[in-house]
This record gives sequence, C-alpha cells and structure tokens, in this order.
Amino acid sequence: DVKVTQSSRYLVKRTGEKVFLECVQDMDHENMFWYRQDPGLGLRLIYFSYDVKMKEKGDIPEGYSVSREKKERFSLILESASTNQTSMYLCASSPRILLYQPQHFGDGTRLSIL
Amino acid sequence: DQQVKQNSPSLSVQEGRISILNCDYTNSMFDYFLWYKKYPAEGPTFLISISSIKDKNEDGRFTVFLNKSAKHLSLHIVPSQPGDSAVYFCAASITDSWGKLQFGAGTQVVVTP
Repeated sequence: DVKVTQSSRYLVKRTGEKVFLECVQDMDHENMFWYRQDPGLGLRLIYFSYDVKMKEKGDIPEGYSVSREKKERFSLILESASTNQTSMYLCASSPRILLYQPQHFGDGTRLSIL
Repeated sequence: DQQVKQNSPSLSVQEGRISILNCDYTNSMFDYFLWYKKYPAEGPTFLISISSIKDKNEDGRFTVFLNKSAKHLSLHIVPSQPGDSAVYFCAASITDSWGKLQFGAGTQVVVTP
C-alpha cells in the first residue's frame, strides 16, 4: 500500500513566520503535489513536482514555494505566513506512467496562522 | 474560475437507498475523471474513475456515468450504507498534464439509518 506521510497533523504559527510543511512518500513515485482544502472551494493545487529538483506552479502558488531535493520528499514553504493561509494542506503522490494513475494522499496538516 | 463544479454541497439519504452525486465541468479538454471520498481528519481516498472513451464504469456498489456532450458526470452508490457518510470530491484531468487534478468543491453525504 502507498503511504504518504505528512510530518504534522496540526500546526499553529504566527503571522510573518516562515513555515515548513513536509511530505514523504514510500512508493518511489515521480509526481508529488501540494493542495490546500478550504470549505466551498474543494482542493486547489499550489505546486507540483514531476522529478527531483523540478517544480511547477499550480493554480494558487502566490505566497508559497516548494523544495524537492530527494525523490521521496516534497516540502511546502510559506515564506511569510499570513492569516489567509490558515487552511488544511494535503500532499499527494502518483507514478508517472502512460496510463493515468490516481493520486494517493496524506492525512493532511491543519495549519492555523495567528 | 472553477472548471469542475459540484453544485450540491450536501445530500442526505436513507440507508439502503441510492445516492446520486453530480458533477459538471467546463473544460472540454478533460479526458479522465475521478471520484474521491474523504472522512474527517483523513486524506481523500480514490474511489472510482472513468476515461472519456467510456460512458459508464462500475465497481461494486459504485457506478460512475459520464455524459460528454453535457459535460456532466454522476456517481451512484447502491445501496447506501452508513459507512458511506463522507465528503465526495469529483476531479478531472487532462492526459499529459503530469496527472494534475482539478477538484470540485465536494458534496457531504449523510446516510441515515
């Protein structure tokens, strides 16, 4: 079974802090994704990566950056946290093969910015 | 601008009856569609998918129907069970887009005894 592990289930930070959210997958997947989930908006893609050191912007990248130094690990960085970044953050991974494969998700990090 | 829309935020259904969840999309380039199920405090889990070359896909109690001309898909759950109470997300993808998904806002399903 694919396991996607997010380092924290709950996190409380202050406005202006630099925040790191970590995600590790154990299935050697090429693709990794970061989403945020907000009521009434569903899941929105922040950034994704299709290989080590490669990253692409999603639909809402403003205020975020990412890092992928190793294949299994994908980090989301809030450069200077703001209250409108309070949300549920979900990491996902999928293999890069010809036929489409579903993404596998972690259990999420509930982030509160005070 | 949401390209995938789930217009019903909630659905209540009796145990044993059919649950029908609807999803509409606007981008005609989407060629693969998925449904995910999410329990509170857990990540979404993949439920069922359908390619645009098909109009129906079944997996046990779950059936997804795709109407490409109407840009509409639906998920049928028959019979509904209490364990089906969850939020259901519709998602869509375009082949060769690195597997990126566009999600709908979700529908909260409550199955009552």
